[in-house]
Amino acid sequence: GQNIDQPTEMTATEGAIVQINCTYQTSGFNGLFWYQQHAGEAPTFLSYNVLDGLEEKGRFSSFLSRSKGYSYLLLKELQMKDSASYLCAVRDKTGNTPLVFGKGTRLSVIA
Amino acid sequence: ETGVTQTPRHLVMGMTNKKSLKCEQHLGHNAMYWYKQSAKKPLELMFVYSLEERVENNSVPSRFSPECPNSSHLFLHLHTLQPEDSALYLCASSQERWVNTEAFFGQGTRLTVV
Repeated sequence: GQNIDQPTEMTATEGAIVQINCTYQTSGFNGLFWYQQHAGEAPTFLSYNVLDGLEEKGRFSSFLSRSKGYSYLLLKELQMKDSASYLCAVRDKTGNTPLVFGKGTRLSVIA
Repeated sequence: ETGVTQTPRHLVMGMTNKKSLKCEQHLGHNAMYWYKQSAKKPLELMFVYSLEERVENNSVPSRFSPECPNSSHLFLHLHTLQPEDSALYLCASSQERWVNTEAFFGQGTRLTVV
């Protein structure tokens, strides 16, 4: 079967760093995606990892370990606008196949 | 501004009604998807269209009927829904044959079945 686990909720302080973890067990692996979704809005793409290691994109970084079935999203210098749900998704088959999503982590940034 | 547009944004319908959700993408993609997002549950894939052919149907009840008349448009026809079908319905698109491409989502239709 397929299983993607993330914490349900997290709270962090403005200006701090927060790490959102994601573990996955899927029948195959062809890339891991992170999306951000503000309440009432569409999910928007943040990052993509297919090889082990860290991908950095401004204040956001994403890490992947395929052997451990593990990824994290790192958000630095948190801002109030970063309060949102963060969705971890895996493409479990070869080719451009639909993504399998976790339940998402709701992040609240407080002053 | 999203390249994927969904209408309506909100819909309230009775269990005996028939309605349709519309999705339009202006990104030149050739794959389109319907997802259902319920509270405290992961995004659930409902239907996949690739090059206007339905390639996946994840055991969705027949009261949901998709239609893809061309690569830019996708519909979800609804009839005799149940209250548990109330959810956010998201349309997405992506480009085939590019394995690392992300899916682009529309804003969704918030559906309430009464």
